[in-house]
Amino acid sequence: GENVEQHPSTLSVQEGDSAVIKCTYSDSASNYFPWYKQELGKRPQLIIDIRSNVGEKKDQRIAVTLNKTAKHFSLHITETQPEDSAVYFCAARDMEYGNKLVFGAGTILRVKS
Amino acid sequence: SAVISQKPSRDICQRGTSLTIQCQVDSQVTMMFWYRQQPGQSLTLIATANQGSEATYESGFVIDKFPISRPNLTFSTLTVSNMSPEDSSIYLCSATTGPVGYTFGSGTRLTVV
Repeated sequence: GENVEQHPSTLSVQEGDSAVIKCTYSDSASNYFPWYKQELGKRPQLIIDIRSNVGEKKDQRIAVTLNKTAKHFSLHITETQPEDSAVYFCAARDMEYGNKLVFGAGTILRVKS
Repeated sequence: SAVISQKPSRDICQRGTSLTIQCQVDSQVTMMFWYRQQPGQSLTLIATANQGSEATYESGFVIDKFPISRPNLTFSTLTVSNMSPEDSSIYLCSATTGPVGYTFGSGTRLTVV
């Protein structure tokens, strides 16, 4: 089945700087890669996703890039703000076993003002 | 994306008892899932709730401990049976109309004493 690794586990940036979180996946058949933001005590919220037929997707300050050959994808947040502080999870859809999402371990992002 | 109502939001239970968690979706969805999230950890899939048939469990999770029902395309329950303190965790349901846009319920924070 699918396995997703996520790095770094914690990331501290100054307000206004960029943040990059990277994930690798193991199953080349996976074709959908969402990113979730989870604030303390809240549910995971989908912030951006990408399908395997696209190399990059942007939504205002957030972008995701996908390299299918290398089997890795990354989340880029520009002009970070204190409200970006949260835990971010990447995921990959396991096509072989029931279309379930397999999650990375998470990244704690702290934006210092 | 589907909107999921999950209840209860939290509960404190005696060991040896059972708790049933409910998820109601505002529209028909193709897939529903149940996750467990330990404090500070990622999301671990317990099972995929299949409409009209037995759930598909992940390695390490069994039906006797976590019976799941999904009587229709908008509703599912997870029961945590014969609870022990090790079952203290956050339980989350997820749903998708497919093939993208997996959303989450607000979670159930379970404490077993």
